[in-house]
Amino acid sequence: QLVVTQSPSASASLGASVKLTCTLSSGHSTYPIAWHQQQPEKGPRFLMKLNSDGSHIWGDEIPDRFSGSSSGAERYLTISNLQSEDEADYYCQTWGTAIRVFGKGTKLTVL
Amino acid sequence: EVQLVESGGGLVKPGESLRLSCAGSGFTFSYYYMNWVRQAPGKGLEWVSFISSSSSYIFYADSVKGRFTISRDNAKNSLYLQMNNLRAEDMAIYYCVRETPDYNHIDFWGQGTQVFVSS
Repeated sequence: QLVVTQSPSASASLGASVKLTCTLSSGHSTYPIAWHQQQPEKGPRFLMKLNSDGSHIWGDEIPDRFSGSSSGAERYLTISNLQSEDEADYYCQTWGTAIRVFGKGTKLTVL
Repeated sequence: EVQLVESGGGLVKPGESLRLSCAGSGFTFSYYYMNWVRQAPGKGLEWVSFISSSSSYIFYADSVKGRFTISRDNAKNSLYLQMNNLRAEDMAIYYCVRETPDYNHIDFWGQGTQVFVSS
């Protein structure tokens, strides 16, 4: 079964860096994923598509403080120089032939 | 400017029906795959349904299969979701979501329309 797993929460200080993790289920380690950001009281926004080899496609006007990387079944979203507007829910999402799957999201708090 | 504008949300009783619409603009609507994704109050994102560019392929989440019907009218740049036999657990914000057929990923979200289901 295709599943993506995320930690429920993360926190880091203003100006620091944070690395969010998305883990693909067994047998799906080569799948690409997408990261989406949802700021408080707003709709989600596409951040990036991330392939298993680390190659990626960015959404529109995404600050270069955001970066993505891959290792095995794990996909990462790193945010450097954290700003207050980065406080949001971050969703990992993947897809199969007849299904699209979202992780439960990671709530990022900027201290 | 790319836009996806949902409409049709509202308050219905359990067992009733509702039809959501989504108007796309600023891009070639007929080229893209489309999805509906929902978010219950205080919860995460849940994929609901997918439709390919020419409506040849249609998929549903198990939670809505047999009750919801996705469709599109490329001449009108519009996406629809017919929701029948609504349940309390269907109450959510429903987002119209674009998916690129080039790279098979969701790349744009609408702002959502709220569906309330309550007796």
